[in-house]
Amino acid sequence: DAKTTQPPSMDCAEGRAANLPCNHSTISGNEYVYWYRQIHSQGPQYIIHGLKNNETNEMASLIITEDRKSSTLILPHATLRDTAVYYCIVMMEYGNKLVFGAGTILRVKS
Amino acid sequence: NAGVTQTPKFRILKIGQSMTLQCTQDMNHNYMYWYRQDPGMGLKLIYYSVGAGITDKGEVPNGYNVSRSTTEDFPLRLELAAPSQTSVYFCASKRSLVHTFGSGTRLTVV
Repeated sequence: DAKTTQPPSMDCAEGRAANLPCNHSTISGNEYVYWYRQIHSQGPQYIIHGLKNNETNEMASLIITEDRKSSTLILPHATLRDTAVYYCIVMMEYGNKLVFGAGTILRVKS
Repeated sequence: NAGVTQTPKFRILKIGQSMTLQCTQDMNHNYMYWYRQDPGMGLKLIYYSVGAGITDKGEVPNGYNVSRSTTEDFPLRLELAAPSQTSVYFCASKRSLVHTFGSGTRLTVV
């Protein structure tokens, strides 16, 4: 599985959009980009995944660049409850194992 | 539908003691996993199973054993606890695209 690079931390004002970047320059053609988050002391929670088209669900949007070497997770209206560690993971669509990096600590501030 | 249930939530072990961390899921998922998370780090895979009777090592299997006699249960065994096994342990299951995680077991070895 391709490796990912994320900034160690980011701040966001409550009510504003949070844009979390991820680089995955070695991604292969059949690998998807997955995002999970981990709210303090809890198990990771699935957010969204995509291959090359932009994706949106009730939690977030995922924007993948045309060359697929990077992506951005967007939380449109961040709340204090969105404060968490966000993990960007590259994996085959039906891959077995999630490989976690250090992730990005997102702090949403009032 | 309880999802993935882990017991106990907290445990303190003495060096050399043994214990079993319990994990059960009620979603009929074939894939199950055990991860550990050390402070400030991402999750690391210990063992996983693709179905009853089938298990395989992950990234950090030393000091642990698993079994998978049923679809629902995937216990993790620590035979001779060591301080290096102080960590938070997460069990997960997967069907199709999404991993579902339990709430974790916080283990301290003293």
